[in-house]
Amino acid sequence: QSALTQPASVSGSPGQSITISCTGTSSDVGGYNYVSWYQQHPGKVPTLLIYDVNNRPSGVSNRFSGSKSGNTASLTISGLQAEDEANYYCSSYTSSGTQVFGGGTKLTVL
Amino acid sequence: EVQLLESGGGLVQPGGSLRLSCTASGFIFSSFAMSWVRQGPGKGLEWVSGVGGSGVDTYNADSVKGRFTISRDNSKNTLYLQMNSLRVEDTAVYYCAKHRGVTLVHGMHVWGQGTTVIVSS
Repeated sequence: QSALTQPASVSGSPGQSITISCTGTSSDVGGYNYVSWYQQHPGKVPTLLIYDVNNRPSGVSNRFSGSKSGNTASLTISGLQAEDEANYYCSSYTSSGTQVFGGGTKLTVL
Repeated sequence: EVQLLESGGGLVQPGGSLRLSCTASGFIFSSFAMSWVRQGPGKGLEWVSGVGGSGVDTYNADSVKGRFTISRDNSKNTLYLQMNSLRVEDTAVYYCAKHRGVTLVHGMHVWGQGTTVIVSS
């Protein structure tokens, strides 16, 4: 159960778009369309942004979108805003019946 | 309103035991899988254990296998995590989280506020 691989940090200017990658294996990301993305502001509880690769829960801005190609999933944030500065985590269902998270990516809005 | 409230955290010595509880309200508890997720100081999220809606199917991360046991009492709308043989590296905030369906496949869309476990001598 190795953690999924995410870049440690990404940055972008307000109004720009950024993409965060999440790389796993055929036993998790590549094998199922069950990738989720979470946002966590410092000191706060994580919130679900995307589930099942590209679905947004009600209330989540359409500036957030997800996709997947092979063993790599991606989260794209368009029209970057200051409030988007946070830590982002991907997770995937695995062939063992478990969940596994990525190491997290810190987004800095310049 | 859907709510999850964890309790049972505290300070425990290495090798000790602790039982966490998570009381749910605002939804049909037995219809949803539940998980425990932890976050060590300054670290990322780590999935710990999960259980299907019926309570029959349970799963654990390799890091806690043989030491932690997840269970649920659907009559009491409560999720548990029995933690034995605790190690310093188990120190973390432990979150209770609700999945979007009866199995663990989907994401976790409701999270509790967390309860803190500190393992130290």
